[in-house]
Amino acid sequence: GAGVSQSPSNKVTEKGKDVELRCDPISGHTALYWYRQSLGQGLEFLIYFQGNSAPDKSGLPSDRFSAERTGGSVSTLTIQRTQQEDSAVYLCASSLSGGDQPQHFGDGTRLSIL
Amino acid sequence: EDKVVQSPLSLVVHEGDTVTLNCSYEVTNFRSLLWYKQEKKAPTFLFMLTSSGIEKKSGRLSSILDKKELFSILNITATQTGDSAVYLCSYNTNAGKSTFGDGTTLTVKP
Repeated sequence: GAGVSQSPSNKVTEKGKDVELRCDPISGHTALYWYRQSLGQGLEFLIYFQGNSAPDKSGLPSDRFSAERTGGSVSTLTIQRTQQEDSAVYLCASSLSGGDQPQHFGDGTRLSIL
Repeated sequence: EDKVVQSPLSLVVHEGDTVTLNCSYEVTNFRSLLWYKQEKKAPTFLFMLTSSGIEKKSGRLSSILDKKELFSILNITATQTGDSAVYLCSYNTNAGKSTFGDGTTLTVKP
């Protein structure tokens, strides 16, 4: 498809397990963002990839969170030893080049930690 | 610390009313301010503003930026029930990073 694709759309897991969330950006978009959105809240910035530059990881809430982007395209966000407070919708977005371009969002992964 | 503050947090109006949503920001290395509409899942892009005083318009929606006073407004005229959504304001820095406000939840009643 032409849009940003995220998988899975829903993930339920037990506390302490590791999870991997996937984002497939729009082809040709060099910038990729991950956000977290808790119920009724705005978007919390997690990490930003731009081309081959080192990612801006300043929003990652703890060292349990990590992300990588392989070949400048697909990205995975990994949460290790999940906690109940990690429950949220994780949104991925991509844009053509970053600062002066709008972002195109995927539908998100709803993560529930039991 | 860079931040975005949106007001009001929520708003309930009736069809046909006009609404104004506010967004103020504090940021270093400002590049652009953007408005998004979020209904159920993915936010969708509405406007991008980079210059002060130039109104952007799309149908019943319009937006303007004041870079001196560091705020933007989003106006919706003749509101319809389909305008019910969360409206998000964000800014991009020169480095490409984005920061979002908490959003304004707009409910339009028939």
